[in-house]
Amino acid sequence: DIQMTQSPSTLSASVGDRVTITCRASQSISSWLAWYQQKPGTAPKLLIYKASSLESGVPSRFSGSGSGTEFTLTISSLQPDDFATYYCQQYDSYPLRAFGQGTKVEVK
Amino acid sequence: EVQLVESGGGLVQPGGSLRLSCAASGFTFNTYEMNWIRQAPGKGPEWVSYISSSGYSMYNVDSVKGRFTISRDNAKNSLYLQMNSLRAEDTAVYYCARDSGRLTDYWGQGTLVTVSS
Repeated sequence: DIQMTQSPSTLSASVGDRVTITCRASQSISSWLAWYQQKPGTAPKLLIYKASSLESGVPSRFSGSGSGTEFTLTISSLQPDDFATYYCQQYDSYPLRAFGQGTKVEVK
Repeated sequence: EVQLVESGGGLVQPGGSLRLSCAASGFTFNTYEMNWIRQAPGKGPEWVSYISSSGYSMYNVDSVKGRFTISRDNAKNSLYLQMNSLRAEDTAVYYCARDSGRLTDYWGQGTLVTVSS
C-alpha cells in the first residue's frame, strides 16, 4: 500500500505570508496527486489535481508542484479564507487511493 | 449543480448493522464511478469503497472487507453502503463522493456513524 506523509502537521502563519506544505509518497506515484482544503464541519474541497493543475474556480494564489515521491502545495499570499486543513491524496493506485494525515494552517 | 445527499447514519451498537444511502442529482449518475470515504473524528479522510459506473466492479479497503458492501441503483440515482459487524473504529463521518476520471471531484455533506454501547 502507498503511504502519504505530510509535513508539517500544523503551520502557524499570518495573512500575506507565503505558505508551503510538503507531501511525500512511500513510492513513486508519477503526478497522480491531488490537494484538498477542508474547513470544520464541511467536506473536503478539491484545489489541485495531477500535482499542478488548478481546479476551476480555485484562486491562482494556490499552486502545486512535484512528481514521483515529493510534492508541495504553495499559497503565495495567505488570505483569511485560507485558514483550514489541507490534505494530499494519491490516486496512482486507482481505484484504491490514500490521503495524507493533514496540515492545519492556523493563525499565528 | 452536482448534489450528493447522504442519509442513514446514527448510533449503533458494536456488532450491529447500518445501511447508508446517497441521493445524487445534477449529473448523469450512471456514467460516473462512485465511492464512500470516511473521516474519523480529528483524523484525515480514509477511502472505504468504490463502485464502477455499471455496478459490476467494486473495491474495498482491507479493514472493511467481508463486512461492508457498496451497491448502486442507477434507475434511482442512488448509492448505498451496507455495513455489518460494526466496530468502534468504524465511527466516522461517511461521505458519498463522485469520481471524474481518476479524480474525486465532488463530495456530499456526510452522515455520522457512531458505534458505541
